[in-house]
Amino acid sequence: GENVEQHPSTLSVQEGDSAVIKCTYSDSASNYFPWYKQELGKRPQLIIDIRSNVGEKKDQRIAVTLNKTAKHFSLHITETQPEDSAVYFCAATYLSLGYALNFGKGTSLLVTP
Amino acid sequence: EAGVAQSPRYKIIEKRQSVAFWCNPISGHATLYWYQQILGQGPKLLIQFQNNGVVDDSQLPKDRFSAERLKGVDSTLKIQPAKLEDSAVYLCASSLGQGFYNSPLHFGNGTRLTVT
Repeated sequence: GENVEQHPSTLSVQEGDSAVIKCTYSDSASNYFPWYKQELGKRPQLIIDIRSNVGEKKDQRIAVTLNKTAKHFSLHITETQPEDSAVYFCAATYLSLGYALNFGKGTSLLVTP
Repeated sequence: EAGVAQSPRYKIIEKRQSVAFWCNPISGHATLYWYQQILGQGPKLLIQFQNNGVVDDSQLPKDRFSAERLKGVDSTLKIQPAKLEDSAVYLCASSLGQGFYNSPLHFGNGTRLTVT
């Protein structure tokens, strides 16, 4: 099916450690890959995005890598802090949805002090 | 810049009743989306508009859901009649770009619907 697979579904790390979340997609026409952070009871907020003509992008402690050949992309958070605790969603544009975003099921990240 | 506005914030109805949600996108954003987010899952696209035209509604349960964006700005999403499985948060989002030339989605705070 046309899904975005996201792993792991839960992730617990100690403050200061790194966290990595991985996603795979199935549409070879996908050209835009954002990551959203959603805190409990709040709206998803964009934290970083990458386009298909770029392999890696970094913004302070957050980085995203894209492998178009393998159809997977990853979110890397370094030096994690308790305020990084939230649910993270990856997404990819799907031609079958008129290039709207197709979301993964989310990763619940817990950063313990 | 003002964000995406949605109302109501919460709604509780009984099954088989009707409900409507309203969304006002960010000024100048041509593309508007309605997503359904069931607890513990990622947002699922229901419908995408560009201006007042439908780009994609392939995942909209058309036997009970309808949406419109008559003047290319505000949008309403309606459920009639509601089922228990419609309990979810309904998120409206807008973006400046569309299609292949997409741009980041900006989400509203959502409407939390509970069907009893």
